[in-house]
Amino acid sequence: EPEVTQTPSHQVTQMGQEVILRCVPISNHLYFYWYRQILGQKVEFLVSFYNNEISEKSEIFDDQFSVERPDGSNFTLKIRSTKLEDSAMYFCASSVGTPNYGYTFGSGTRLTVV
Amino acid sequence: GENVEQHPSTLSVQEGDSAVIKCTYSDSASNYFPWYKQELGKGPQLIIDIRSNVGEKKDQRIAVTLNKTAKHFSLHITETQPEDSAVYFCAAAGSQGNLIFGKGTKLSVKP
Repeated sequence: EPEVTQTPSHQVTQMGQEVILRCVPISNHLYFYWYRQILGQKVEFLVSFYNNEISEKSEIFDDQFSVERPDGSNFTLKIRSTKLEDSAMYFCASSVGTPNYGYTFGSGTRLTVV
Repeated sequence: GENVEQHPSTLSVQEGDSAVIKCTYSDSASNYFPWYKQELGKGPQLIIDIRSNVGEKKDQRIAVTLNKTAKHFSLHITETQPEDSAVYFCAAAGSQGNLIFGKGTKLSVKP
């Protein structure tokens, strides 16, 4: 069964450092998403991406965040200057189309900011 | 924007009993309502979903009902088994595709 692949599975970084989280969506999917889940809390929408541009973003997705699809297969989330409160699980997802056909999540990257 | 409320936050049942989790949403434009199961250390796994043109959907022991007028939808698990123990999230989505999740229900099935 096709999977959304995320790397690394765990990233530890110092406060103020930049991090890049990587995702390989399912190959025929056209819509890409990032979500985060602070420990013990609900999954929160960050950003959606379609046709090489952001289609929607939440209040969480401020100027410290950016997304990119650099090479047609990877989908990255960059946090420019990490804060302690950025510590969370970050999930990538992709879907064939909207509304939400074949929506699939990756297994996540645990980001720990120290 | 959309807001999704989920109840209860924890649910404990005996093996073989049924479990029901309920969610309400605020945005009448939402048209897709998935349910996810999340096991410890893993990403959300889709278990069933329903679209706004359908009132009920069933897949073996799992069913979902949707009441668009009242803006609520529910997950029903029958004949629960210990491996059903996990955190369950409901979500709602509009035309842009972004999912708004409920806060989750920790289901414990006691053997």
